[in-house]
Amino acid sequence: GENVEQHPSTLSVQEGDSAVIKCTYSDSASNYFPWYKQELGKGPQLIIDIRSNVGEKKDQRIAVTLNKTAKHFSLHITETQPEDSAVYFCAASNTGNQFYFGTGTSLTVIP
Amino acid sequence: EPEVTQTPSHQVTQMGQEVILRCVPISNHLYFYWYRQILGQKVEFLVSFYNNEISEKSEIFDDQFSVERPDGSNFTLKIRSTKLEDSAMYFCASRDPANYGYTFGSGTRLTVV
Repeated sequence: GENVEQHPSTLSVQEGDSAVIKCTYSDSASNYFPWYKQELGKGPQLIIDIRSNVGEKKDQRIAVTLNKTAKHFSLHITETQPEDSAVYFCAASNTGNQFYFGTGTSLTVIP
Repeated sequence: EPEVTQTPSHQVTQMGQEVILRCVPISNHLYFYWYRQILGQKVEFLVSFYNNEISEKSEIFDDQFSVERPDGSNFTLKIRSTKLEDSAMYFCASRDPANYGYTFGSGTRLTVV
């Protein structure tokens, strides 16, 4: 089955700096890659996603890049703000049905 | 914004007891899911449900687990005889047919003692 690895497990950045979180996947059939943000006491919230027919997608300060050949995808957050502090999860799916999640990255933005 | 609602937020149960975790998915969504997250571990898929039947399930989802959509709005996960290792956060999710992205609920923390 699919295996998703996520790095780093914790990340601290100064407010205004950029943050990058990286994931790799093993199943070349995976074609959908969402990123979720989880704040304390809440469920994961979809923040951005990408399908395998594109290499990059951007939404304001958040972007995701996908390298199908290398089987890795990354989340980029620019101009970080304290409210970006949360746990971020990547996931991969080849059916849109079952998601395989990474282990999560705890991001702390220091004011 | 539409939400997936889960109740209760926290449930404590004795080992061997049955528990039912409840979810109200977003009303126009047709695909429903249960995931769980044991403390410090990955979010793991349990089961997906579409058109009133299970469409996929993982190895975790053994005979002790069942799901039901009893009345067209609720979506429940039943654990028949809980074990200590069932202690985890259980997330319900739903999605509409046009999108792959799920909407998750806030989760139910199940503690088996």
